[in-house]
Amino acid sequence: DAKTTQPTSMDCAEGRAANLPCNHSTISGNEYVYWYRQIHSQGPQYIIHGLKNNETNEMASLIITEDRKSSTLILPHATLRDTAVYYCIVNTGGFKTIFGAGTRLFVKA
Amino acid sequence: NAGVTQTPKFQVLKTGQSMTLQCAQDMNHNSMYWYRQDPGMGLRLIYYSASEGTTDKGEVPNGYNVSRLNKREFSLRLESAAPSQTSVYFCASRSLTEAFFGQGTRLTVV
Repeated sequence: DAKTTQPTSMDCAEGRAANLPCNHSTISGNEYVYWYRQIHSQGPQYIIHGLKNNETNEMASLIITEDRKSSTLILPHATLRDTAVYYCIVNTGGFKTIFGAGTRLFVKA
Repeated sequence: NAGVTQTPKFQVLKTGQSMTLQCAQDMNHNSMYWYRQDPGMGLRLIYYSASEGTTDKGEVPNGYNVSRLNKREFSLRLESAAPSQTSVYFCASRSLTEAFFGQGTRLTVV
């Protein structure tokens, strides 16, 4: 599975869009991009995933560049409850799901 | 639906003791996972089970054993606990698109 690179931490003002980047330059054609988040010490929670098209659900939007070497998770109107660690994961959808260190997002009032 | 249930939630062990962490899911998923998370770190995969009757090593399997008892249950055993195994342990099961996690077992080995 491809390796991902994310910033260690980011800040965002409450009510503004939070844009979390992820680099995955070694991604292969059959690998998906997944995003999860972990609030405080709870178990991680699935947010969204995509292959090459942009995706949107009730939680977030996922923008994948045309060459698929990077992606951005967008939380359109961040709230204090979105403060969490966000993990970008790339794999084929197979069994071995590996998490990296993630990005710690701080949403500030 | 309970989702993924882990027991116990907290445990303190002495060095050398053994214990089994239990995990059960009620979503009829084939694949299940055990992760550990050390303070300030991401999750590391210990073992996974692609289907009932199969198990495979993840990133950090040393010091652990697992059993996929049936489709619902996937247990993690520490035969001789060490202080380096102090961590939060998460169990997960996975559908075709997403993984569902339990609330974790906080284990301290003294």
